[in-house]
Amino acid sequence: AQKVTQAQTEISVVEKEDVTLDCVYETRDTTYYLFWYKQPPSGELVFLIRRNSFDEQNEISGRYSWNFQKSTSSFNFTITASQVVDSAVYFCALSYAWDKFYFGSGTKLNVKP
Amino acid sequence: NAGVTQTPKFRVLKTGQSMTLLCAQDMNHEYMYWYRQDPGMGLRLIHYSVGEGTTAKGEVPDGYNVSRLKKQNFLLGLESAAPSQTSVYFCASGSGRVNSGANVLTFGAGSRLTVL
Repeated sequence: AQKVTQAQTEISVVEKEDVTLDCVYETRDTTYYLFWYKQPPSGELVFLIRRNSFDEQNEISGRYSWNFQKSTSSFNFTITASQVVDSAVYFCALSYAWDKFYFGSGTKLNVKP
Repeated sequence: NAGVTQTPKFRVLKTGQSMTLLCAQDMNHEYMYWYRQDPGMGLRLIHYSVGEGTTAKGEVPDGYNVSRLKKQNFLLGLESAAPSQTSVYFCASGSGRVNSGANVLTFGAGSRLTVL
């Protein structure tokens, strides 16, 4: 069963537009962690953020912000004023044990100048 | 500051050939993982290790073997390669509280394997 769903396969925006990447997860555990990773064209996945299931506070880091809503099992990622360097594949992931780490299928973001 | 290093970066095999992918990390992490990435399927866990001398199966272990003889190295072997194993393979390592799920993974740059 799909644990993490990223329904947007590919998104294209023009530089300076805001864009939101959706992530919906499924778990029966009460303690879990959610992650976002970025995979730039170079290929290496880069960690962006981790949230635990008990902390629903939204988080902002520069142009990046994350909205965690347990009621809808969503952990969405917004990039404000997108830049060409934001072009990458973004993965949402769910984990509740060292061997239970589930990635979504990824959303490819194309930011055009 | 190498982090996680994978070798080789690219390899082309013929069906039935064998090969080993090497992953090395210099962060003294206990946990190491091998994932494969296929279009539209995200990353799927092949095998993992929670410490030197230990290995365990992940989601898609068939056709692969692993070994972790040294803490810093995690090897992924294909004994008889098949076209279905054409993929990009990622090694990752992590550290954290035992079995908490909070593990932040550090990934290698990936190894692109093509099986003809």
